[in-house]
Amino acid sequence: GAVVSQHPSWVICKSGTSVKIECRSLDFQATTMFWYRQFPKQSLMLMATSNEGSKATYEQGVEKDKFLINHASLTLSTLTVTSAHPEDSSFYICSARDAIAGESEQYFGPGTRLTVT
Amino acid sequence: QKEVEQNSGPLSVPEGAIASLNCTYSDRGSQSFFWYRQYSGKSPELIMSIYSNGDKEDGRFTAQLNKASQYVSLLIRDSQPSDSATYLCAVRGGGADGLTFGKGTHLIIQP
Repeated sequence: GAVVSQHPSWVICKSGTSVKIECRSLDFQATTMFWYRQFPKQSLMLMATSNEGSKATYEQGVEKDKFLINHASLTLSTLTVTSAHPEDSSFYICSARDAIAGESEQYFGPGTRLTVT
Repeated sequence: QKEVEQNSGPLSVPEGAIASLNCTYSDRGSQSFFWYRQYSGKSPELIMSIYSNGDKEDGRFTAQLNKASQYVSLLIRDSQPSDSATYLCAVRGGGADGLTFGKGTHLIIQP
């Protein structure tokens, strides 16, 4: 089946620093990857759609200069949280779709728990 | 604004019984519908997808879609304690790739 990995699985950083999270599709090519954020006891909220070879599309209310997305290849997308603040502490989850195979299902990575102190 | 509504629960069901989870959505242009299971502290796991009206069965799971009523449901037969989790309903609109999630229903299967 479709496997998506994320790294790191958890990270603690100091306020004002930047953190990079990687999302990889391991056994398929993903022209499109998605980044979601989940606060405690809340549902997943789509942050942005990451397109290979082009700029990401951000959802309303998500700062594109704060959450930098780079989809450098068909198997890798990165999310960089710049100048992190405690309110950025959350569970960040990526997903990918095997669009080349024409599939509609999205498969999620294991998530990255970010804590900003 | 697209919305997906679910009863947050908790929904408590005896082991071996049928668990019924419901979801409504606001965007009539929605094309694809998904049920994910999420254990505490973990990422969502795809359970079922459904794209056309009617029922779709996969093992102990049956998804039902009624586009006219903008309603999606998930039935879990022979419920097991390991089915205890939060079940997320997700919808994808026509032309849009990202998913809109409901807040999830917390299901508890009582041994």
